[in-house]
Amino acid sequence: GAVVSQHPSWVICKSGTSVKIECRSLDFQATTMFWYRQFPKQSLMLMATSNEGSKATYEQGVEKDKFLINHASLTLSTLTVTSAHPEDSSFYICSAIGQRAYEQYFGPGTRLTVT
Amino acid sequence: QKEVEQDPGPLSVPEGAIVSLNCTYSNSAFQYFMWYRQYSRKGPELLMYTYSSGNKEDGRFTAQVDKSSKYISLFIRDSQPSDSATYLCAMSALLQGAQKLVFGQGTRLTINP
Repeated sequence: GAVVSQHPSWVICKSGTSVKIECRSLDFQATTMFWYRQFPKQSLMLMATSNEGSKATYEQGVEKDKFLINHASLTLSTLTVTSAHPEDSSFYICSAIGQRAYEQYFGPGTRLTVT
Repeated sequence: QKEVEQDPGPLSVPEGAIVSLNCTYSNSAFQYFMWYRQYSRKGPELLMYTYSSGNKEDGRFTAQVDKSSKYISLFIRDSQPSDSATYLCAMSALLQGAQKLVFGQGTRLTINP
């Protein structure tokens, strides 16, 4: 149980285009999902908290107009990187809260490369 | 000072050795303490969690929490090459209305056959 999937696993896009990443909880409902960003050999940095049916809460320093988050259902949250630039290239990971509020289950991650 | 400090390593040990991974923290609000394992280019996998001081054992893994010293550890017994990964400690607190995780930097561990 507690499986989280992400799609796509790897995407390459040109500078200036937008990319959408999907995060799904496959066998449980997740009222809260989180989006993280991870640079090589560094830890996970929380970008935003996504709540079903309401606006996402962004961490300090994260541009909400650039990283659009939509939590449309209890099993799906999407992150759209708008007008992507090479510095947005990173590993993006989502997570969802399980039955216990402190348990987070992570997706496999999406590697974004902006050329 | 970071909220959670973890030695990034890298740490390299021979197969069968006992591995000790450690984190310190500064925020007394942290309530739950987790260890995640992350293989290269994969999402983190929850290994163990605990919420009280003391030891918790699961197979070859033992998680230890000392809240008075704000120190947590993960011990791996009879280490195997398949244990080679990055290990992240994480701590959970109710922040801005949600249970959020704060991660350590991660320790890269290599078990040599």
